[in-house]
Amino acid sequence: SQTIHQWPATLVQPVGSPLSLECTVEGTSNPNLYWYRQAAGRGLQLLFYSVGIGQISSEVPQNLSASRPQDRQFILSSKKLLLSDSGFYLCAWSRGSIGTQYFGPGTRLLVL
Amino acid sequence: KNEVEQSPQNLTAQEGEFITINCSYSVGISALHWLQQHPGGGIVSLFMLSSGKKKHGRLIATINIQEKHSSLHITASHPRDSAVYICAVITGNQFYFGTGTSLTVIP
Repeated sequence: SQTIHQWPATLVQPVGSPLSLECTVEGTSNPNLYWYRQAAGRGLQLLFYSVGIGQISSEVPQNLSASRPQDRQFILSSKKLLLSDSGFYLCAWSRGSIGTQYFGPGTRLLVL
Repeated sequence: KNEVEQSPQNLTAQEGEFITINCSYSVGISALHWLQQHPGGGIVSLFMLSSGKKKHGRLIATINIQEKHSSLHITASHPRDSAVYICAVITGNQFYFGTGTSLTVIP
C-alpha cells in the first residue's frame, strides 16, 4: 500500500530564517507530487506540482521554491521566511494529473 | 468571482439527517474532487469525478457537466461526519478550490 509522509508536523520559525519541509511517498513510482498551503481561515492553494524528477511547476509567484531530487521525494524551501508564509502546508500525490489525490498529514508553520 | 463556488458555507444538522453540499464552477474541467478536512487539518480525498455519480458508503457524489455543478450527499449523517468539505476542479494543469463547507452534525 502507498503512504505519504511529511515532516516536521509543527514548526515555529523566526522571520528571515530558512525553511525546508520534506515529503516522501512510499509504495508507488513516478507519482505526481503537489505542495499546497492553507492560510488560516482560507481555502487550499496549490503552490507547486511535479510530474517527474527535477520537473517543477509553480502556480503562484512567492517566496517559496520546490525541488524533487528523487522520484518519491518533494521538498519545499525558502531562503528567508516572511510572516505571510505562516500556514498549513500539505503534500499530496496522485497517479497522473487528474487522478485521486492522497494527502499527507501536513505541517503547521508559524513564522514569528 | 471565484471559479469554484460552494454552498452553503456553514451547515449544522441533526444526527441522521440527509445532507447536501453544492459546488458550481465556471471553467471547463478535466475532473472534480471532493475533499474532507478534519478539525486537526488532515485531508482525505473522498471522490474524483469526471461524469455521472459515485457512491462510497453513506457518501454520494454527482456531477452534471452541462450545468457545471456537483453535489455531495451524506445519508444518515453522524457526528463523525463533522468536517470541512472542499470542492476542487482541475482544468488542464490548473487547480481551483472552493472555500469549503463547514459541516457540524449534532448528536
